[in-house]
Amino acid sequence: DTGVSQDPRHKITKRGQNVTFRCDPISEHNRLYWYRQTLGQGPEFLTYFQNEAQLEKSRLLSDRFSAERPKGSFSTLEIQRTEQGDSAMYLCASSLVQGANYEQYFGPGTRLTVT
Amino acid sequence: KQEVTQIPAALSVPEGENLVLNCSFTDSAIYNLQWFRQDPGKGLTSLLLIQSSQREQTSGRLNASLDKSSGRSTLYIAASQPGDSATYLCAVPPSGGYQKVTFGTGTKLQVIP
Repeated sequence: DTGVSQDPRHKITKRGQNVTFRCDPISEHNRLYWYRQTLGQGPEFLTYFQNEAQLEKSRLLSDRFSAERPKGSFSTLEIQRTEQGDSAMYLCASSLVQGANYEQYFGPGTRLTVT
Repeated sequence: KQEVTQIPAALSVPEGENLVLNCSFTDSAIYNLQWFRQDPGKGLTSLLLIQSSQREQTSGRLNASLDKSSGRSTLYIAASQPGDSATYLCAVPPSGGYQKVTFGTGTKLQVIP
């Protein structure tokens, strides 16, 4: 399968614990995005990378959140000291910036439940 | 700040009916507009992408139109099928390209056999 993959698909954690999610984009894609989606809402932008550089972060991304894309390939999103409000679906997308084509391709998401 | 609205929030139609989903955006300085489909608990599947210079795009039974000046896009689904049941989302990046993409809240479609 050559699409965007995310791991794990589901994560249940207790409040205060740290969690880390992984996203593997489509191999030739140079941009990678993270979104958060709560029930009944559209995805909300968190951050994006151009190759290994993190170019923009939303105000939604508090100090407890950190994202990396160390070699311009896969990315990780870490949430420290989780809170119940962090419960959501975390979506990763990738795109190939080439001319005017910026079409995004999404992974299946990681559903986080904080108890 | 870009705001994207989708109306209706939910729609239930009998199989075979043609239907229109609406997407409105407040800032017409957009790069393109993308329509997605999302099945429950799953990620997003891209349906159609319309560049800002285009008026419409077609794929099979789907046709999406874009009117930048009025801040509107429509997704037309012909001869709806039960397999079309899903949430449909539109997404709008700013004219500078795919930085902070703004999504609508979606239209939840149910096609009744």
